Amino acid sequence: SQQGEEDPQALSIQEGENATMNCSYKTSINNLQWYRQNSGRGLVHLILIRSNEREKHSGRLRVTLDTSKKSSSLLITASRAADTASYFCATVGSGTYKYIFGTGTRLKVLA
Amino acid sequence: NAGVTQNPKFQVLKTGQSMTLQCAQDMNHNSMYWYRQDPGMGLRLIYYSASEGTTDKGEVPNGYNVSRLNKREFSLRLESAAPSQTSVYFCASSGWDRVDDKNIQYFGAGTRLSVL
Repeated sequence: SQQGEEDPQALSIQEGENATMNCSYKTSINNLQWYRQNSGRGLVHLILIRSNEREKHSGRLRVTLDTSKKSSSLLITASRAADTASYFCATVGSGTYKYIFGTGTRLKVLA
Repeated sequence: NAGVTQNPKFQVLKTGQSMTLQCAQDMNHNSMYWYRQDPGMGLRLIYYSASEGTTDKGEVPNGYNVSRLNKREFSLRLESAAPSQTSVYFCASSGWDRVDDKNIQYFGAGTRLSVL
């Protein structure tokens, strides 16, 4: 399977804490993206990091990318109950339109 | 601006029945995709269409066919449904966002399919 893997599979934290989830992938990439899925809904794009970037910020989100280790991490700071969702990484290779999604991390933020 | 619209939202089939899942996007995107989502498996690509008139197999194409009817519409057909095809199906489209200089996917709300 080409699928990437994410860990942990599930994460439960208190409101106000930081949440970190990791993504590993198998092939060379053009960019890596993170998506969020609320229960019963479609995925929504959060942030994109290109293969020549090492870190990206957007609001309370911080993404890092290590292409030598084929891994990425997503940090959500000062989490809120509304952040409760599943989070997926997706990789896009050079010269391709295919997105390969990871298996996802289910985040639960307790109020 | 509705984004990506999928129909139906729910469907129950008997083994061997056929059906077509409909998807349409109004964002003038070139590329469209069909995924299935199973518990613990994330999203797996069934078929995709990089542009109007082209389709390509993804990771799990067996048992499915697709039609890129025009730039807006991309349908997924199950010719003879099997219980293993019970899943949630998502359609997505992608196009270049000139403002942010990036290409990202937009998803429909999904079709929940049960095959008995």
